[in-house]
Amino acid sequence: GAGVSQSPSNKVTEKGKDVELRCDPISGHTALYWYRQSLGQGLEFLIYFQGNSAPDKSGLPSDRFSAERTGGSVSTLTIQRTQQEDSAVYLCASSPQTSGPRSYEQYFGPGTRLTVT
Amino acid sequence: GENVEQHPSTLSVQEGDSAVIKCTYSDSASNYFPWYKQELGKGPQLIIDIRSNVGEKKDQRIAVTLNKTAKHFSLHITETQPEDSAVYFCAASYPGNTPLVFGKGTRLSVIA
Repeated sequence: GAGVSQSPSNKVTEKGKDVELRCDPISGHTALYWYRQSLGQGLEFLIYFQGNSAPDKSGLPSDRFSAERTGGSVSTLTIQRTQQEDSAVYLCASSPQTSGPRSYEQYFGPGTRLTVT
Repeated sequence: GENVEQHPSTLSVQEGDSAVIKCTYSDSASNYFPWYKQELGKGPQLIIDIRSNVGEKKDQRIAVTLNKTAKHFSLHITETQPEDSAVYFCAASYPGNTPLVFGKGTRLSVIA
């Protein structure tokens, strides 16, 4: 079946501009995560949504970052007033259940490569 | 919070040899340990995982072992092939739907 999709695949923006990154999770997956991968680094957690619960925003690096998830499906990560240090690959992942043996499994999309000039 | 260390950062093996990547974690409350393979320009792909109630899991040429007492887990790839060349990440998480904490990755090169 279809996997996690993200758009755009690449985004180049000027410092100070706002950007929106989109994630379409696997159909039926109830949990959705955003991670950031900087050049040569591991993956850093940003925010996650689980069902109808309030999102866990504990990983967001500053108040310029926000995310929403509409209708329990599509999610948008917004970065306001972008800075050069925001340049990274932004990855989205989804999980099939909120509980049970498969709730742990996270499936990643291809990512959005953001370059701030 | 959880901290995951991964070694080595790079690994080169001859085709057909075995490769081993090791990770340690800091929080004994973690109970889920997945491994991801990431090829250039792609997102991480879940290749195998293990939960804290199991000591070893195998899937064809790949296996993962977990030592809860020592808080470390390892990925073993046997009979390596050139297509195994990629960056491998280990991760750990607490019970339930919780964020993964990743190691910094190991770049594996399989030389034909």
